[in-house]
Amino acid sequence: EAGVVQSPRYKIIEKKQPVAFWCNPISGHNTLYWYRQNLGQGPELLIRYENEEAVDDSQLPKDRFSAERLKGVDSTLKIQPAELGDSAVYLCASSPRPGQGSWNEQFFGPGTRLTVL
Amino acid sequence: GDSVTQMEGPVTLSEEAFLTINCTYTATGYPSLFWYVQYPGEGLQLLLKATKADDKGSNKGFEATYRKETTSFHLEKGSVQVSDSAVYFCALSGGYGGATNKLIFGTGTLLAVQP
Repeated sequence: EAGVVQSPRYKIIEKKQPVAFWCNPISGHNTLYWYRQNLGQGPELLIRYENEEAVDDSQLPKDRFSAERLKGVDSTLKIQPAELGDSAVYLCASSPRPGQGSWNEQFFGPGTRLTVL
Repeated sequence: GDSVTQMEGPVTLSEEAFLTINCTYTATGYPSLFWYVQYPGEGLQLLLKATKADDKGSNKGFEATYRKETTSFHLEKGSVQVSDSAVYFCALSGGYGGATNKLIFGTGTLLAVQP
């Protein structure tokens, strides 16, 4: 079974530029998460999707961050414009439907390391 | 709100030494507890989990017991190997009345095992 796929793996941009990250979850997983991991810290949830609906975006800085999951499968996280403090690793994770095997586990992708200069 | 506190690293051990990484939590309700491991350049992988009090999670020689009375979930391994060198994260979910899906992580503990 293929794991969570993320691209790109690394991205270097200058401040004020836009950037987008893409995630393809494990097939059949209806829940998708975006986390941000600052250097030396644990991941922090930015947004959670159930199918195509964003059910928890309370930690997403909506002035510059946006996300979408139009068909309930792939997702894109965008930052516009990027700031120096956005340098971090952006992790995508997915989990199965409640009641399915491993339903309370989250499976993580390798992440995208963003550097804002 | 819910939170996780784990011991700061780095933890440096010699091969075959005993490992303990302390983790305590604060949560309402009945959270599930997890240990994730992050090898250099890779994403987080679930190492083990426990979903109710007194459960013991185990995998690859690692163990952790869900202790509700001390709100702890310490990670242990009897004999570490160089290949265990990684960052270990303690996490919880479902603290609010059993609702799932939001993982709250500790800050991570770097383990370095020397030959």
